[in-house]
Order: sequence, then C-alpha cells, then structure tokens
Amino acid sequence: DAGVIQSPRHEVTEMGQEVTLRCKPISGHNSLFWYRQTMMRGLELLIYFNNNVPIDDSGMPEDRFSAKMPNASFSTLKIQPSEPRDSAVYFCASSYRQGSYNEQFFGPGTRLTVL
Amino acid sequence: ILNVEQSPQSLHVQEGDSTNFTCSFPSSNFYALHWYRWETAKSPKALFVMTLNGDEKKKGRISATLNTKEGYSYLYIKGSQPEDSATYLCAFALNTGTASKLTFGTGTRLQVTL
Repeated sequence: DAGVIQSPRHEVTEMGQEVTLRCKPISGHNSLFWYRQTMMRGLELLIYFNNNVPIDDSGMPEDRFSAKMPNASFSTLKIQPSEPRDSAVYFCASSYRQGSYNEQFFGPGTRLTVL
Repeated sequence: ILNVEQSPQSLHVQEGDSTNFTCSFPSSNFYALHWYRWETAKSPKALFVMTLNGDEKKKGRISATLNTKEGYSYLYIKGSQPEDSATYLCAFALNTGTASKLTFGTGTRLQVTL
C-alpha cells in the first residue's frame, strides 16, 4: 500500500487566497484525521471523520476552515480566505476502526506558507 | 482542555547511553496511550498503543510502561544509536464517545551523537 497520500507537499500562497489540501487515506481505513503542526501549539487535531461523516470539528480554528470527505478515499481541507497565521504543516492520518486502540497512519504532510 | 505533558523537552545523549522520557496524562477516564516516533522531515509513526494499567511493551531496544492510576508512561531506549534521533510523542485518548480523538503532548526531542 502507498500509505496516506497528501497533496500538494508544499504550497505557497498570498493572503486572501483560497487553499485546498487533499488527502487519500489508506484503502480500507474508515477513520480520517486532519492535524495542524505549529511551533507554538505542537500537533493539534482539527477534525476527524468516521465512515466519511465528520465526528468532531471542535479543533477547526474558525469559519475560514472547512473539511469534506465525499467518499472513503478522498478528503479535502479548505482555507478561505487564507491568512499568514495559517502557515503550518498540515497532516492527514487514517486508521482502521473507530477507537484509539488503533494506530493512526500519517501522511507526509503539506507545508503551507501564506505570505 | 486535556493536559498531556512530556519531559524533558529535549535530550542530547551519546551513542550507547540509555535514556528515558516521561508522558503525564489525566488519570481519570483513561482509554489508551499511544507513543509515536517522529523523524525530522518525515511523519509520525506509531511505536506502541497501551491500554491496561501495568502494560509493558517492547520493540527492539525501545520499551514503554504504563501507569494509568497515577497518569504516566515512560519510554526507555537502551543503548541509544544515532538513528534513534527523533521527536517522541505521546498521545492520550479519553474514554468518551469520541474515543478516536487523540490529544498529543509536545514531544521529547532526542539527539544521539557519536
């Protein structure tokens, strides 16, 4: 298996632009997680899905952030409009079943820079 | 807000030294404790998932213990090698309906030199 796939790997954009990050989970996994990593706050959970349904989005910083999972093999995280403080590494992770016993497999991350 | 704390923040040891780090987490409503290894410019990879008080897990030179009653876990590395250099994260899961959610500590950054 190729593992969790994220695109793009790097994104540089200007303040005010829309940014879309993409994630393909491992085939057969039914939980998907979006995290953000910053120096100040470490690794933060933004939102997670079970069976394509958003379960907890309490970590989404504000209305500028939205996430969708239209099917079991694809998810997007969108920021509109983007701001410089959104600059961070965004990770997507997937796991096999609901429940934290299960190991989460992380993608390589997308490094976002908002100028 | 759940408080998951790791200490020390960073550690610099020489090849062959043994070392250990601590993860502290809330002792109530415990569900699971995960340890991840995160190498620079890569993504976190799971080392252990621990669920029972008194659990001990081992993978090669790395082992971990769990005390859910007092809310801590130790990660041990025996005979550190340069390839052990990484950030070690622990993550806590609360026993609620949203058991999938993990709260991560800020990690212990280990550097092993020759």
